[in-house]
Amino acid sequence: AQTVTQSQPEMSVQEAETVTLSCTYDTSENNYYLFWYKQPPSRQMILVIRQEAYKQQNATENRFSVNFQKAAKSFSLKISDSQLGDTAMYFCAFMKHGAGTNAGKSTFGDGTTLTVKP
Amino acid sequence: NAGVTQTPKFRILKIGQSMTLQCAQDMNHNYMYWYRQDPGMGLKLIYYSVGAGITDKGEVPNGYNVSRSTTEDFPLRLELAAPSQTSVYFCASSYSRGTGELFFGEGSRLTVL
Repeated sequence: AQTVTQSQPEMSVQEAETVTLSCTYDTSENNYYLFWYKQPPSRQMILVIRQEAYKQQNATENRFSVNFQKAAKSFSLKISDSQLGDTAMYFCAFMKHGAGTNAGKSTFGDGTTLTVKP
Repeated sequence: NAGVTQTPKFRILKIGQSMTLQCAQDMNHNYMYWYRQDPGMGLKLIYYSVGAGITDKGEVPNGYNVSRSTTEDFPLRLELAAPSQTSVYFCASSYSRGTGELFFGEGSRLTVL
């Protein structure tokens, strides 16, 4: 079974500073995707960044970057130059890619509530 | 583009009543999902489907049923509603040959009294 663990229920950061959110996962699969989603108070889920497991290079999207450690099954999100609009709940998610049992099954962690302080 | 559409957005049920949450997507996605989110908590997978006629259980399927007769629609049926089913329900879809990103509906808030 695939599981996703986010060990930090809440975090806060000062505006313009950098924060890192942690995520670990457990799977026996080799072919999968990892994601970070953002859920602001509006409740709408927004994709922040994605990583394909076969790629060694860490994904980057503007101020957001990941540290993907496949052997350690770790997938942390770094937010640089934090902005007030980054205040939200952040979810780490796993999806098995390809075919076979559990293909397409997408599992989420319990989330980290991030507050950016002015 | 409509994307993923869920109805209703809000519903109050009495204990023991049944209802169906509707979900439709117009992106020709083969994967579809139902999650529930309790207050301040993460998303728990109820059921998912990898294509029309194929459904599979997620982490918390008890008390729910689904069907997938078309690519576009993935209704979630609640039988004999219980207070423990009070939650926000999200439908999502994805494309198996795409990026893996899930596209979410706006959610349906269900209260069982």
